[in-house]
Amino acid sequence: GQQVMQIPQYQHVQEGEDFTTYCNSSTTLSNIQWYKQRPGGHPVFLIQLVKSGEVKKQKRLTFQFGEAKKNSSLHITATQTTDVGTYFCAGIFGNEKLTFGTGTRLTIIP
Amino acid sequence: NAGVTQTPKFQVLKTGQSMTLQCAQDMNHNSMYWYRQDPGMGLRLIYYSASEGTTDKGEVPNGYNVSRLNKREFSLRLESAAPSQTSVYFCASEIQGTSPLHFGNGTRLTVT
Repeated sequence: GQQVMQIPQYQHVQEGEDFTTYCNSSTTLSNIQWYKQRPGGHPVFLIQLVKSGEVKKQKRLTFQFGEAKKNSSLHITATQTTDVGTYFCAGIFGNEKLTFGTGTRLTIIP
Repeated sequence: NAGVTQTPKFQVLKTGQSMTLQCAQDMNHNSMYWYRQDPGMGLRLIYYSASEGTTDKGEVPNGYNVSRLNKREFSLRLESAAPSQTSVYFCASEIQGTSPLHFGNGTRLTVT
């Protein structure tokens, strides 16, 4: 089946540093969604990107969808302890169901 | 609104035992899903129901069965549990096809 690769698997940053996670697909995605899962919690929807080259911002979070709709990124500026968790991308190929990436676990060093 | 409610939160089974995980949503969503989450493997789709009365296999359906009891409820059954089914199980729902998913709090299942 189709796969969405996500890197890195883990990221440890000092509080205040920036953080980026990347998702890549070998085939074109219809759209991509991003979720955040706090430790011990459940995934919570953050955003959906649909258009080629789309960029959306939520406060310190910036989401991008590649021009070819095969990759996406999430960038967090000046991380805070509340950003701790695992960030998942999830892509849709054609009319298929969501395919989740393996996630990037972010830990913050105070 | 409660959103998506899953029961139980925790369960320990012995190999060969059976159990049903319950899921209910009060958002009038059409589609419902069951995922399992294992370390380093993200969320993998077990079964889904695009609408009341329909169910379809996902990526990892073997060893599971589902029932879409009505629009609100979607249950997952393990007929004969195996250690490989030790995982965290999440139920999710969405209004339709490509909408954001709303997840329940999960069921942590251990099979010994």
